[in-house]
Amino acid sequence: QSVLTQPPSVSAAPGQKVTISCSGSSSNIWNNYVSWYQQLPGTAPKLLIYENNKRPSGIPDRFSGSQSGTSATLGITGLQTGDEADYYCGTWDSSLSAWVFGGGTKLTVL
Amino acid sequence: EVQLVESGGGLVQPGRSLRLSCTVSGFTFGDYALSWFRQAPGEGLEWVGFIRTQAYGETTEYAASVKGRFTISRDDSKSIAYLQMNSLKTEDTAVYYCSRQEYYYDSSCYRYWGQGTLVTVSS
Repeated sequence: QSVLTQPPSVSAAPGQKVTISCSGSSSNIWNNYVSWYQQLPGTAPKLLIYENNKRPSGIPDRFSGSQSGTSATLGITGLQTGDEADYYCGTWDSSLSAWVFGGGTKLTVL
Repeated sequence: EVQLVESGGGLVQPGRSLRLSCTVSGFTFGDYALSWFRQAPGEGLEWVGFIRTQAYGETTEYAASVKGRFTISRDDSKSIAYLQMNSLKTEDTAVYYCSRQEYYYDSSCYRYWGQGTLVTVSS
């Protein structure tokens, strides 16, 4: 059971938009920055979004992040088949003194 | 170029110990905290623990699942971090990754990751 809650899967057609939610609590998302990671099969995670809504250099603006209260959201527009991957949200939990992840969301581009 | 390379994985029996290394290059290791993560086969990402910099006392934090069994240390002179794993259990079987914490605060992100090393705990 993950501390952060994500939908197990989402799907959309190429060119469409999808959002992935990440629900937490006052001890994690409310008070700490959220980051998002993309993981392709057999590879290490890749940072997509940090500090709730910032993109590292090299990440296209098709990827966006937002945070409100105890929830965060990753948005992906202009879906491509190459976006098919697992996506994870993560942040620090001040009560647990631990980094926590969501359970991951598998994105399928139909 | 920032690089992190894990090593030391392999097959180990339950109850035994194993030490993983994370060798870094391309940046001043002493300026960054470092975390270990793991991913069991077919499962999601799990944080194992981290070690802060010397400026923050090289203090450590651990996930509840490994606290008391795993120890993270660092040798800034060699640009290496270690994960000492004792009393290993079958549920510790996973790919282990090391990653650099980008900023000084605990909720900082992780941009650079190693390729991972597989640890299999089985009799």
